[in-house]
Amino acid sequence: DQQVKQNSPSLSVQEGRISILNCDYTNSMFDYFLWYKKYPAEGPTFLISISSIKDKNEDGRFTVFLNKSAKHLSLHIVPSQPGDSAVYFCAATSPAGGTSYGKLTFGQGTILTVHP
Amino acid sequence: KAGVTQTPRYLIKTRGQQVTLSCSPISGHRSVSWYQQTPGQGLQFLFEYFSETQRNKGNFPGRFSGRQFSNSRSEMNVSTLELGDSALYLCASSPIQSASSPLHFGNGTRLTVT
Repeated sequence: DQQVKQNSPSLSVQEGRISILNCDYTNSMFDYFLWYKKYPAEGPTFLISISSIKDKNEDGRFTVFLNKSAKHLSLHIVPSQPGDSAVYFCAATSPAGGTSYGKLTFGQGTILTVHP
Repeated sequence: KAGVTQTPRYLIKTRGQQVTLSCSPISGHRSVSWYQQTPGQGLQFLFEYFSETQRNKGNFPGRFSGRQFSNSRSEMNVSTLELGDSALYLCASSPIQSASSPLHFGNGTRLTVT
């Protein structure tokens, strides 16, 4: 039972355009969500997070949107740069439900390719 | 500040053997989590330690075990290796368990079981 799903295995965009990565979850107990980026041969790197009390969080070029009723979150990267090419994972946990921040449930990842 | 260090980076073992992987968290970090990454299952939580105590365990068989030492360094052990244990094993640390302290991952240990 995959509780966090990233239905697009890959996404290709032009440099300077917007990249939108999507993530759906089924567990309504999840109340804290994160996005990680992973380059080959490296571990995931934290990008941005959002708590379920918010519907948007911004950090520079990265914005995460949360739609709790649809159990959907998205990561927007504007403008996209070739260096953003990597695998992006969304992750979720439920601290309010007693699950620690160290126990994350990850999606399968989306490979983003940004073309110059 | 040095990042999360995992040793060794690569390991080849034979089915039936056992293996120990090591993780040194970022200095000052007391929470350590372990994850397994495979092409089919993605990133899956193994276990989490905080102040030498296991706080959470994922849905893995008892062949997978871990521990944390007083200096926060952690090890995980897999006994009676199976071909399906071939994976990238990732360790992550954080200073405390809070939203302001997301996990910092190491570069992983690539285990191949033949």
